[in-house]
Amino acid sequence: GEDVEQSLFLSVREGDSSVINCTYTDSSSTYLYWYKQEPGAGLQLLTYIFSNMDMKQDQRLTVLLNKKDKHLSLRIADTQTGDSAIYFCAETPGGKLIFGTGTRLQVFP
Amino acid sequence: DGGITQSPKYLFRKEGQNVTLSCEQNLNHDAMYWYRQDPGQGLRLIYYSQIVNDFQKGDIAEGYSVSREKKESFPLTVTSAQKNPTAFYLCATRDSLYEQYFGPGTRLTVT
Repeated sequence: GEDVEQSLFLSVREGDSSVINCTYTDSSSTYLYWYKQEPGAGLQLLTYIFSNMDMKQDQRLTVLLNKKDKHLSLRIADTQTGDSAIYFCAETPGGKLIFGTGTRLQVFP
Repeated sequence: DGGITQSPKYLFRKEGQNVTLSCEQNLNHDAMYWYRQDPGQGLRLIYYSQIVNDFQKGDIAEGYSVSREKKESFPLTVTSAQKNPTAFYLCATRDSLYEQYFGPGTRLTVT
C-alpha cells in the first residue's frame, strides 16, 4: 500500500521554529497524531488533531491539517536542544495506527 | 511509558530459536498493538488486538504469533520462520479516544 511520507531529516538552529511535514493516505482517518521518539525509547504522544479541525495549538506546538491535500504539519516554536528526536506522524484507518517514516530533527546551538 | 511494561529491555537469541516478548498493561485498555522498528525506519504493524481472545494480522505478521488470553497481556512470539528478527519491538495500547500509549520497547538481537 501507499506509505505515510515524511522527509527524513531536519536541522534547525536553537531558538528558530521547526516545521515537520507529513503526507498521509487515508481520508477516513478520524484522528491524526504526532509522536516523538528519543534514542532507544518508545514513542511519546505529542499531540493529535481531530479530522474536522484545520489547526490545533498546544503551547509551543502547532498542528495544521489540510484534508484536501492530505497534508499534516507540526510546527515547534522556539526549538530547543531537548527537541532533538525523531518525529512520527500517524493516521488511523480502521482501528489501526499507521506511522510515517519519521523525521529526525537535529537542533544545533 | 505509562502503565505498559515490556521486558526485558535487551534480548539475545540464537538463530533457529523461538522467543517470546512480553507486554503487560495496567491501563485497562482494550486494544493492544505490536510494532517493529528497524534502524532509520518507521514503525511497522505486526499484530493488533482490539479485544480479549481476538487479534488481527498487521502488515508484517509472517513469522510472528500472538495471543490475547487476558486484557492485560499481549505476548509476541518471534518464530524461527521470521527471516530478519533482529529489531526494536514496541508494544502499545489504545484508549477509547484513540490515543496510543507505548511501552519502552525490547531490542531483540538474533545471531
